[in-house]
Amino acid sequence: DAGITQSPRHKVTETGTPVTLRCHQTENHRYMYWYRQDPGHGLRLIHYSYGVKDTDKGEVSDGYSVSRSKTEDFLLTLESATSSQTSVYFCAIREDRGPPEQYFGPGTRLTVT
Amino acid sequence: SQQGEEDPQALSIQEGENATMNCSYKTSINNLQWYRQNSGRGLVHLILIRSNEREKHSGRLRVTLDTSKKSSSLLITASRAADTASYFCAGYNQGGKLIFGQGTELSVKP
Repeated sequence: DAGITQSPRHKVTETGTPVTLRCHQTENHRYMYWYRQDPGHGLRLIHYSYGVKDTDKGEVSDGYSVSRSKTEDFLLTLESATSSQTSVYFCAIREDRGPPEQYFGPGTRLTVT
Repeated sequence: SQQGEEDPQALSIQEGENATMNCSYKTSINNLQWYRQNSGRGLVHLILIRSNEREKHSGRLRVTLDTSKKSSSLLITASRAADTASYFCAGYNQGGKLIFGQGTELSVKP
């Protein structure tokens, strides 16, 4: 395992409620990513971070915000969850100067009812 | 959308047969990679092929890259039931973001 954990692993929430997903790494890598995976779409990048307090938007960032106050933690927040945000969310990390492959966490299955 | 396109979307073969999956992009990408995802799990990196490479091998995996056609293929030889999984291609776009294909679901029957 690449030393990445995600919490919670499963969550059911109601439309309009805020939700925060946590990604934790033990590798001390600068680069961290949040993706969502939906049938027929593969993985799509939501937000990424290239260091503490340094974040940027991905392809599907609307409705999501992120924060990174420590190297090891990257938080994804849905300010007001909608049913279209029902998905499986994956966190990934990448070595700072090594090969460009990414290492993925186990995922969080989020259901918004 | 910059997403890669993969075909076939699903592939069912017998153990011992070879499996070939293809991936194409509309935009230029580099550092083309292939990942495997077992059901309910995260993605696992399999192999990377750089833009100046045409073919790469790793165990039973063979990857080819055709930059002029913006396409890549993954060949798994002598498949096993344990190879049953979804396979995704992914490449970095000009903005440095990893763009994934939609995946090929491989089923290897014993």
